[in-house]
Amino acid sequence: GPKVLQIPSHQIIDMGQMVTLNCDPVSNHLYFYWYKQILGQQMEFLVNFYNGKVMEKSKLFKDQFSVERPDGSYFTLKIQPTALEDSAVYFCASSFDRSNERLFFGHGTKLSVL
Amino acid sequence: GDQVEQSPSALSLHEGTSSALRCNFTTTTRSVQWFRQNSRGSLINLFYLASGTKENGRLKSAFDSKELYSTLHIRDAQLEDSGTYFCAAEEGSWQLIFGSGTQLTVMP
Repeated sequence: GPKVLQIPSHQIIDMGQMVTLNCDPVSNHLYFYWYKQILGQQMEFLVNFYNGKVMEKSKLFKDQFSVERPDGSYFTLKIQPTALEDSAVYFCASSFDRSNERLFFGHGTKLSVL
Repeated sequence: GDQVEQSPSALSLHEGTSSALRCNFTTTTRSVQWFRQNSRGSLINLFYLASGTKENGRLKSAFDSKELYSTLHIRDAQLEDSGTYFCAAEEGSWQLIFGSGTQLTVMP
């Protein structure tokens, strides 16, 4: 079936550096999402994105976070600068529509901030 | 085959009735989460279980890590319970593998 790919699967960086997490969504999908899961805790919604704009974001989506999908390429989550509390697994998802449409999830990127 | 098999794919309930959703896992999983997708597409986390059962209002979830399945029971269904429900299994050290979802419709 359709797959959402996340690259890389694991990223290790030093605190204060910039990091970009990449998501290759399902090809005809229009809505894109990022979720964050701190180890041992529940997965939490960060942001959703449609037509080049952030449609909705949670309080976890700090000012240091940004998302974009330039010209149909990867859907990216950029964190600049990173902080220790950004260490988590980040999940990307996409859907064709947002009204009761199934979300397809990637397997996650583990970000370790040292 | 799929590592997380979720059933049923669609379910219709009348208000006030009860039912259960189920996820079977083909490999050992450390934890399971249940989500409901809202009308804007965002996921609401309902339960996180490493074992046993949890209850929240009219919802109750159980996870049997030995028999490799989890259930989500909905009691006294209400119209606002309509939506798509997902389970997700923890694989390896951090990855989540999602089920295919159950589209629940609650009718008056």
